[in-house]
Amino acid sequence: AQTVTQSQPEMSVQEAETVTLSCTYDTSESDYYLFWYKQPPSRQMILVIRQEAYKQQNATENRFSVNFQKAAKSFSLKISDSQLGDAAMYFCAYRSYMNYGGSQGNLIFGKGTKLSVKP
Amino acid sequence: DTAVSQTPKYLVTQMGNDKSIKCEQNLGHDTMYWYKQDSKKFLKIMFSYNNKELIINETVPNRFSPKSPDKAHLNLHINSLELGDSAVYFCASSQDASGFGNEQFFGPGTRLTVL
Repeated sequence: AQTVTQSQPEMSVQEAETVTLSCTYDTSESDYYLFWYKQPPSRQMILVIRQEAYKQQNATENRFSVNFQKAAKSFSLKISDSQLGDAAMYFCAYRSYMNYGGSQGNLIFGKGTKLSVKP
Repeated sequence: DTAVSQTPKYLVTQMGNDKSIKCEQNLGHDTMYWYKQDSKKFLKIMFSYNNKELIINETVPNRFSPKSPDKAHLNLHINSLELGDSAVYFCASSQDASGFGNEQFFGPGTRLTVL
């Protein structure tokens, strides 16, 4: 079974600075997808960025970028120029490429990292 | 227009009661999901369902049952509610179960409190 580990329960960053959130995962599959979701206090789940495992190029979305290391099974999220609105829980998630092992494409989440942004 | 909606957003009830949470998506998606987020914010899949197959997470008690009247709806019924059922329940949908482009869209969540 696949697992996702976020080793930082809480992180803090100064406004306008850069912060990196860590995520590692375990899988025997060769094709899969990885995601970062943001959950602000409103509790809405918002997709931040996604990465296909077969793509070597790291995904970027404006101030958000990932460092995907497939061999190391690592998928960290970098937030540049942090803003107050970035304060939230961040979840790393894994999804199988196909319907492996009874999966229907459901997400497997890490336990989350609570990010605080200091003004 | 809201893509994935859930009702109610808050539900407070007594132990032993039976309750339902409704979920509707207007995206034309084929696959829908229910996730549970516990008090420690941990999110875990409960069910995934498309018009062909229901897959149940083996850890989910059989007091929980999904019901889909049509492709756009996947409601969650909970019988004999227990204190440990208190959590936030999220509905989500995706175009289908495979393929990279199939982002999952989440509903706003339903906070269930069992007294």
